[in-house]
Amino acid sequence: DAKTTQPPSMDCAEGRAANLPCNHSTISGNEYVYWYRQIHSQGPQYIIHGLKNNETNEMASLIITEDRKSSTLILPHATLRDTAVYYCIVRSQTGANSKLTFGKGITLSVRP
Amino acid sequence: DTAVSQTPKYLVTQMGNDKSIKCEQNLGHDTMYWYKQDSKKFLKIMFSYNNKELIINETVPNRFSPKSPDKAHLNLHINSLELGDSAVYFCASSQDRSGVNTGELFFGEGSRLTVL
Repeated sequence: DAKTTQPPSMDCAEGRAANLPCNHSTISGNEYVYWYRQIHSQGPQYIIHGLKNNETNEMASLIITEDRKSSTLILPHATLRDTAVYYCIVRSQTGANSKLTFGKGITLSVRP
Repeated sequence: DTAVSQTPKYLVTQMGNDKSIKCEQNLGHDTMYWYKQDSKKFLKIMFSYNNKELIINETVPNRFSPKSPDKAHLNLHINSLELGDSAVYFCASSQDRSGVNTGELFFGEGSRLTVL
C-alpha cells in the first residue's frame, strides 16, 4: 500500500533547479517525509527529511505544504551527477510505521 | 574509509548452495538492516537489528538467516539458494537518538547475487 505518489520520471537542464513533487495525502500527524536517492548501481543515499516545516541542507530543500499532503524536493542547481531515482517516503520515527519503505520513486534525468 | 561495507560485491553461485554476505559499519550506529532490490528495482526491507536484537523480520523465507555478532556487524546467510534469490542485497545502518530511529540510513554499495 503506497503511502506516496510520484510521477515516474522527469528531466531538467543542468544548472537549473529540479523540483521533484510527491503526494502523500494520507500522511498521519506523526509521520515525517523523507527523501532518498539512488544513483545507478549504488546504494540509496539519504537526502533530507521534515515533519511540517521547510528544511534545507547542503544537498537540497524540502518544501512541505501547510496541509502536509504533498511536498517538493528542490535541487537548486542540478548537475549531471544528480541523475538518479529519487524516493519520497513517509514514515513515523517510532512504532509499527517506522520502517523505511521504498516505492517506485521518480527517475530524474539531468540533461547537459 | 567506507562507512558501511559489504562483502562480497559480486557473488555467482548454483541453485541449492549456501552462501553468506557480510556487512560491517564503522559509524557506531545501533541499528542495521538488510534490504533486497530485485530485477524490477524494488527495494524491500528484509530485516533490522538493534544492538544485536532482531527488530524487523519481513516474512522472509527462513532460508534467510541474519546474524549479528556485535552491533557493528550484520551478516546474511542464505541456505538452499533459489533462482528467485538473485538480486542486489543492501546493508544499511542508522543511529537512534534518544530512543528514536531518525530514519537517516547509511547504505552500503550492495552485493549482487546471481543464482544459476
